[in-house]
Amino acid sequence: EVQLVESGGGLVQPGRSLKLSCAASGFTFSDYYMAWVRQAPTKGLEWVASISYDGGSTYYRDSVKGRFTISRDNAKSSLYLQMDSLRSEDTATYYCTTFIPPGWFAYWGQGTLVTVSS
Amino acid sequence: EIVLTQSPTTMAASPGEKVTITCRASSSVSYMHWYQQKPGASPKPWIYDTSKLASGVPNRFSGSGSGTSYSLTISSMETEDTATYYCQQWSSNSLTFGSGTKLEIK
Repeated sequence: EVQLVESGGGLVQPGRSLKLSCAASGFTFSDYYMAWVRQAPTKGLEWVASISYDGGSTYYRDSVKGRFTISRDNAKSSLYLQMDSLRSEDTATYYCTTFIPPGWFAYWGQGTLVTVSS
Repeated sequence: EIVLTQSPTTMAASPGEKVTITCRASSSVSYMHWYQQKPGASPKPWIYDTSKLASGVPNRFSGSGSGTSYSLTISSMETEDTATYYCQQWSSNSLTFGSGTKLEIK
């Protein structure tokens, strides 16, 4: 059974940093592109970042470029999202997902809530 | 960035009624994907590559479309179909979701 378990969310002040982790199991992690998708409270879904099989290619939405860094450790079957210079508009539940070219999300974690507030 | 516009935003259907949700793209896309989300739960893949049903999706659901116009159809509404449905596209490194359609049972 495929499992994606996010961790690392919490309350953080504007301008500070937070690192999210996602532990994957039940599939060959290195065979999949991975991505983070977020959902602000009562709002819709928003793609944040994606990473290729070996981590050699990364992609970001414009609003997080230069502030967020997606990475992976295939040996540990883990995905990460380093979030720096956090803003109130980054407040959301962050989902770890598998990304299947040509572009859909096949598996989703349960999400981890990030709240950016003073 | 390609903008996806879903309609309607909200709707209510009676059991047995046919339901159609539309997703229009601001530019032509090759495929459309759909997700179902229920309150308090993670989104689930529902229809991918425009018309393929994800695992476990009842065959009363179908997807169709091309270019800038796509749709998700339920042939006969059931209570368990109550949820919010999102369309999503990926094209030329532009990945966007529609704003969602909340579907309720009458």
